[in-house]
Amino acid sequence: NAGVTQTPKFRILKIGQSMTLQCTQDMNHNYMYWYRQDPGMGLKLIYYSVGAGITDKGEVPNGYNVSRSTTEDFPLRLELAAPSQTSVYFCASSYSSGTGGNVEQFFGPGTRLTVL
Amino acid sequence: QKEVEQNSGPLSVPEGAIASLNCTYSDRVSQSFFWYRQYSGKSPELIMSIYSNGDKEDGRFTAQLNKASQYVSLLIRDSQPSDSATYLCAARGYSGYSTLTFGKGTMLLVSP
Repeated sequence: NAGVTQTPKFRILKIGQSMTLQCTQDMNHNYMYWYRQDPGMGLKLIYYSVGAGITDKGEVPNGYNVSRSTTEDFPLRLELAAPSQTSVYFCASSYSSGTGGNVEQFFGPGTRLTVL
Repeated sequence: QKEVEQNSGPLSVPEGAIASLNCTYSDRVSQSFFWYRQYSGKSPELIMSIYSNGDKEDGRFTAQLNKASQYVSLLIRDSQPSDSATYLCAARGYSGYSTLTFGKGTMLLVSP
């Protein structure tokens, strides 16, 4: 199993450009998440999904959009990129987020995005 | 606003010593707590989870939880240079759709 994969690894955008960060998992997890991590900071949740067709906002959703048409894929769309979106983006997945039990989130390798 | 607080460090310990990493959380209904290790330039990986008050041991790692004090800690015994990393504490709430709230992380440096 490849686990959680993300593309691209690095990207430089100009202000106002758009792009889609791709995320795929092959563990048949129902829950998927997008985080951003700024230098010296923890992970901030952007959006999450509890299954195909269901998404919800996290702590910092402004400037981003997501969709979840399949269990495996959870792309993150940046419209009108701004310098404040310069960050490292991590996608994660877990098999359950129910009460109790193991909710280990498995993380992808990350996408380092710079907006100039 | 749910918050998870950690001292950013760095916490410096010599090889073979015990490293103690601490975390406090603001949301009293938080049920589960997680410690992730993140090497520089890499993604986080889970090393410990704890749900009940008390201690949980796994090899050189011990997680401690005190819900009354809203306090979680991670002890690393016989610290090795390979333990040098940033340790992220995360808290999960009670609802079925709840997500993780992460602290900013504590950088641990283990010197040979």
